[in-house]
Amino acid sequence: GAGVSQSPRYKVAKRGQDVALRCDPISGHVSLFWYQQALGQGPEFLTYFQNEAQLDKSGLPSDRFFAERPEGSVSTLKIQRTQQEDSAVYLCASSRPFQDASTDTQYFGPGTRLTVL
Amino acid sequence: AQTVTQSQPEMSVQEAETVTLSCTYDTSESDYYLFWYKQPPSRQMILVIRQEAYKQQNATENRFSVNFQKAAKSFSLKISDSQLGDAAMYFCAYRRWAGNTPLVFGKGTRLSVIA
Repeated sequence: GAGVSQSPRYKVAKRGQDVALRCDPISGHVSLFWYQQALGQGPEFLTYFQNEAQLDKSGLPSDRFFAERPEGSVSTLKIQRTQQEDSAVYLCASSRPFQDASTDTQYFGPGTRLTVL
Repeated sequence: AQTVTQSQPEMSVQEAETVTLSCTYDTSESDYYLFWYKQPPSRQMILVIRQEAYKQQNATENRFSVNFQKAAKSFSLKISDSQLGDAAMYFCAYRRWAGNTPLVFGKGTRLSVIA
């Protein structure tokens, strides 16, 4: 597709349920980022992939959060045993570094709004 | 750690007028990128403008321009000839120069455009 896509757009989960959020990056983009955006806040970094390698997961708030990108394209963010504080919009962004990796721009998907009841 | 501060939670502007959104940041690095992103109700984060810290010239993109004051660590966005479609949340963001690193965002400014 032309842009980053995410699914589902909306997800309602009962506390304690597991959820999986999907991100399809722009074709050819090797870098993929996940961000969490709480209501009324700016996005906060969760984790970063370069191809299939997860190079930075320092932003994941707990071990209930897990992300993967097994074939270097589609990525899934999984949250186990969801809690109310996990309610947020989860944004995915992709980029394609040029020869100079500093010149990339991150392109964002529309996000998944997760509500935990 | 780098931080980004947007001190104006909400702003409003009359259609066709000019508005300036403020942003300050804190970093000990000398080379970095700064960005303004727009997030309409659809939630899609759209890049408005970017500035490389080593460039003294302020970036411009059509009706959007920035006032980058490196010594003061200030990066404001000016929107000229405001249009109804400019209404959105605007986020200022910082990114380190080295490598493919994550963005650090401010809390955003909600801009309303009055017809």
